[in-house]
Amino acid sequence: QSALTQPASMSGSPGQSITISCTGSGSDIGSYDLVSWYQQHPCKAPKLIIYEASKRPSGVSDRFSGSKSGNTASLTISGLQPEDEADFYCFSYGGSFTWLFGGGTKLTVL
Amino acid sequence: QLQLRESGPGLVKPSETLSLTCIVSGDSITNTPYYWAWIRQPPGRGLEWIGSVFYGGQTYYNASLQSRLTMSVDTSKNHFSLRLTSVTAADTAVYYCAKFLFPGGIDPWGQGTLVTVSS
Repeated sequence: QSALTQPASMSGSPGQSITISCTGSGSDIGSYDLVSWYQQHPCKAPKLIIYEASKRPSGVSDRFSGSKSGNTASLTISGLQPEDEADFYCFSYGGSFTWLFGGGTKLTVL
Repeated sequence: QLQLRESGPGLVKPSETLSLTCIVSGDSITNTPYYWAWIRQPPGRGLEWIGSVFYGGQTYYNASLQSRLTMSVDTSKNHFSLRLTSVTAADTAVYYCAKFLFPGGIDPWGQGTLVTVSS
């Protein structure tokens, strides 16, 4: 099963909003609302920021939001801040007890 | 507060077996409905799902690793383990253990441990 497709890199200026996409197929993202998103700063463990496509864990900034349409999930970060610069990964249930990550997106805050 | 910490050798020889343990503190490993997971990240690359295990023994493995992989839980020690046989340089990675909110998110994660496969 192939990894989910994310843009390799994105950039934005402080205060702007950006949206990172995660494209799968009808067998994974298209069939389940079981997409989660993770933020990973350099040399740190990933951190859960969105689960079940659009839910935000307690303590995560409301500048992070998630959505899903068809076979594509999206993570939107509003009001970009320098500390948002990190790698972001999506993760989805793929059916038949399989799970898969996206390839990751490196976000640069200019 | 739940914390996880990976433990095991940082260097493994090619063709040998990689064994890691994840020590769980702050909560019982038998609490349902949680599963426990392993994820790895080769240097400079993305995350790869390895598999998950339930304290009762149910496991779900990445199909690409299934033939070499065993995951287990020791409830008496409140830890879970990973064994990967016949390793090659391609298995060199930071290995993370985590709580898996089956079938959805992964939270929290351990700090990760680098395992290098080299002679």
